[in-house]
Amino acid sequence: LAKTTQPISMDSYEGQEVNITCSHNNIATNDYITWYQQFPSQGPRFIIQGYKTKVTNEVASLFIPADRKSSTLSLPRVSLSDTAVYYCLLTYNTNAGKSTFGDGTTLTVKP
Amino acid sequence: DVKVTQSSRYLVKRTGEKVFLECVQDMDHENMFWYRQDPGLGLRLIYFSYDVKMKEKGDIPEGYSVSREKKERFSLILESASTNQTSMYLCASSSYNYEQYFGPGTRLTVT
Repeated sequence: LAKTTQPISMDSYEGQEVNITCSHNNIATNDYITWYQQFPSQGPRFIIQGYKTKVTNEVASLFIPADRKSSTLSLPRVSLSDTAVYYCLLTYNTNAGKSTFGDGTTLTVKP
Repeated sequence: DVKVTQSSRYLVKRTGEKVFLECVQDMDHENMFWYRQDPGLGLRLIYFSYDVKMKEKGDIPEGYSVSREKKERFSLILESASTNQTSMYLCASSSYNYEQYFGPGTRLTVT
């Protein structure tokens, strides 16, 4: 599976919008882009998934350019409770949705 | 809500012991996964299963085996535990849209 690259860490302040960009230059036609959030001592939790253009749900937006070689997770108005590790991964839409998790981005939200 | 449960939160075993980690999901999901998570290495896929009695190797299957006799249950087996298998083990399940739901994890220590 193609590998993703994302920043190791980011800092933000409460109330700000946070954008985390993920690079996936070798994305395949069958790959979806998926983001997960993980708090310490818990399993990852699904945030959002998309194939192209823009996807929005109640917690985040996902922007995917036409070439699909990168994607940006946007978290509006973050709070302290958004401090977590965020993983960008490619999900193969066959083969049981096998995914490869990258190293993740540790987001720290400060008051 | 989807619920994925794992048999133990913490487990301590001795080198050479046979270890069983159990995972149960209650949403009739087709796909189930076992990952291990280590500091600095992120989540790595050990095995996954897309149907009863069907399994495929992930990225790091060496030293592990799995069993899926019923749709809701996926077991990870360490035939002869070693100290380098000390880790956090995470189970997940997913359905057709490939959104993975994770259990709380089992922290295994092999002494």
